[in-house]
Amino acid sequence: GAGVSQSPSNKVTEKGKDVELRCDPISGHTALYWYRQSLGQGLEFLIYFQGNSAPDKSGLPSDRFSAERTGGSVSTLTIQRTQQEDSAVYLCASSSPTGQVNYEQYFGPGTRLTVT
Amino acid sequence: DAKTTQPNSMESNEEEPVHLPCNHSTISGTDYIHWYRQLPSQGPEYVIHGLTSNVNNRMASLAIAEDRKSSTLILHRATLRDAAVYYCIASGTYKYIFGTGTRLKVLA
Repeated sequence: GAGVSQSPSNKVTEKGKDVELRCDPISGHTALYWYRQSLGQGLEFLIYFQGNSAPDKSGLPSDRFSAERTGGSVSTLTIQRTQQEDSAVYLCASSSPTGQVNYEQYFGPGTRLTVT
Repeated sequence: DAKTTQPNSMESNEEEPVHLPCNHSTISGTDYIHWYRQLPSQGPEYVIHGLTSNVNNRMASLAIAEDRKSSTLILHRATLRDAAVYYCIASGTYKYIFGTGTRLKVLA
C-alpha cells in the first residue's frame, strides 16, 4: 500500500521567505510526527500530532515554526522568515497506536530544504 | 526516555553476521528498545523492537541483556543493501530520541 509521502522533495528558498512543507501520512494512521535532520546528524523531534491536536510541540525550535493537521490526515509544517540554519531534511512519520506504548513509525522520504 | 550510546561506525564482510551494540544504562522498566535504520537519501525504517526478551523477525534479531542496560542488533548475513546508519532508541512513549547511530559499511 501507499506509504508516507512528502512534498516537495527539494526546496530552495531565499533567506527571509516563508516555506510550507507537506506530509501525507498512511491512511488510517492517527499519529503524525515531524523531525528535522541536519547534515550528518541524527533526527531531531519537532512536533507530534494525535488526530488534529498537537499535544507536544516541545521540539519546535522557535516561534517561526508552526504546524497544523486537518481532517486527521495531511499535515503542513510552515517555517516563516527562513534562516540559513533552517537548512536540513525535514522528515515526517506516521503511526497507528496499539494497546502497547510502542508506536512503530513509518517515515516519508523527507523534504530537503536549502536556505540561501 | 534513556540516552543511548552506539559506536560511530562498523564494518562487516558481505554474508557474515554483524553484531551492532547499544548501551542504554539509564533505561527505565517501561522503555522499549527500538532499532531503525536509514539507508542513504531515505527516511528511517523500522527494524525491530523489544522489551525484555530476545526477539527475531525476518530482518534481524535483537538480543537484550538481562539487566536491560545494553542490547545488540544482529544481522545474520549482511548484504550490501544493509549498508546504512542504524539507530538504537530506548523509549516508553511516542517521542523517539535519535542519536547519531552506527554507520555500517558492508564490504563485498
